[in-house]
Amino acid sequence: ELKVEQNPLFLSMQEGKNYTIYCNYSTTSDRLYWYRQDPGKSLESLFVLLSNGAVKQEGRLMASLDTKARLSTLHITAAVHDLSATYFCAVVRNTGKLIFGQGTTLQVKP
Amino acid sequence: GAGVSQSPSNKVTEKGKDVELRCDPISGHTALYWYRQSLGQGLEFLIYFQGNSAPDKSGLPSDRFSAERTGGSVSTLTIQRTQQEDSAVYLCASSFHGGQPQHFGDGTRLSIL
Repeated sequence: ELKVEQNPLFLSMQEGKNYTIYCNYSTTSDRLYWYRQDPGKSLESLFVLLSNGAVKQEGRLMASLDTKARLSTLHITAAVHDLSATYFCAVVRNTGKLIFGQGTTLQVKP
Repeated sequence: GAGVSQSPSNKVTEKGKDVELRCDPISGHTALYWYRQSLGQGLEFLIYFQGNSAPDKSGLPSDRFSAERTGGSVSTLTIQRTQQEDSAVYLCASSFHGGQPQHFGDGTRLSIL
């Protein structure tokens, strides 16, 4: 059974600081997604990572994928309050269904 | 419409009642997914439809849950004899094909009294 684990589950950080969220998964997969969810809102797609070594960046967020280690990271650079949200990684299985991590709630304090 | 549309946005019902949740996917998307988000279980896959193929029902938690997709477009998720543990946000997503990036609706927040 595929398991997806995120670390940490909660992260409180100061504005301007850097931090990394980790996503480990237990079996092979050829693609991984990162989503953002604001309170009471739905999921917003951030990144799609399709191959080993893939790196994507959007603003202060950068995601990478190491399929050999079954690890993806979401790196936050110089955090700002607007980045406060819950971030999910999700691994694609079989027919395309997503298996989600537990989510990492990020709180950026001024 | 431009995005995945779900209705109702909120539903409160009494334990034991049946409920129907509706999802209208993005036009042209052949794949449709239902997920459930709850505090205790996180985000869970429920069911997947791809074109005219038999749906992947492997995530449905019990036989009280069923879903159909009519005409390859609108989908309805039905929960019979609701229980309090069914309280959750039910999210629908669609994609151009299975395995392609999924676009999520705003969800239906279901509360069972």
